[in-house]
Amino acid sequence: GENVEQHPSTLSVQEGDSAVIKCTYSDSASNYFPWYKQELGKGPQLIIDIRSNVGEKKDQRIAVTLNKTAKHFSLHITETQPEDSAVYFCAEAGNQFYFGTGTSLTVIP
Amino acid sequence: DTGVSQDPRHKITKRGQNVTFRCDPISEHNRLYWYRQTLGQGPEFLTYFQNEAQLEKSRLLSDRFSAERPKGSFSTLEIQRTEQGDSAMYLCASSSWVADTGELFFGEGSRLTVL
Repeated sequence: GENVEQHPSTLSVQEGDSAVIKCTYSDSASNYFPWYKQELGKGPQLIIDIRSNVGEKKDQRIAVTLNKTAKHFSLHITETQPEDSAVYFCAEAGNQFYFGTGTSLTVIP
Repeated sequence: DTGVSQDPRHKITKRGQNVTFRCDPISEHNRLYWYRQTLGQGPEFLTYFQNEAQLEKSRLLSDRFSAERPKGSFSTLEIQRTEQGDSAMYLCASSSWVADTGELFFGEGSRLTVL
């Protein structure tokens, strides 16, 4: 449950382009995979989540995909905007939540 | 504001002193979590409570760390004999845990600086 790898650690994109962040996990018992956005000086905030019985979920410009067989899940942000600039964390959850190391996303206007 | 609140937001202390952080979760939430976050890292799980029961504490960093949730509402995290390596952001989160799932809501954190 505690081995969540997240890539890349930093990501810069031009405004309007897409951003993709990938995570892998090790605990096959995990059934809940949230993504959090953290802005400077604030606590993480949930932006989207996916449960193990679903392969993809979309909410406006944000989508998450899950491949349980390969134990990886990804965050996709389309039509990026400067306000998307933040640190993004993936997590896997059973009883505890274990977080990835974060991706610092910069959207260049 | 009915979100998770943490106090104090910032604490500067000298090495060897004890510090205590308080977390008030969202009122109807049955689970409360403590995390530590250092610069450039994700939140690191420390411990969690379901109501007043501490269900996992093996991740507390040393025996200098302890947490309580005496009445199943607010919680405190105490660090005794602080060391410079304890400098970090301490995050509290709560959730309404039902049927093996529940969204985590984080507070703004308590930043500790040990001189």
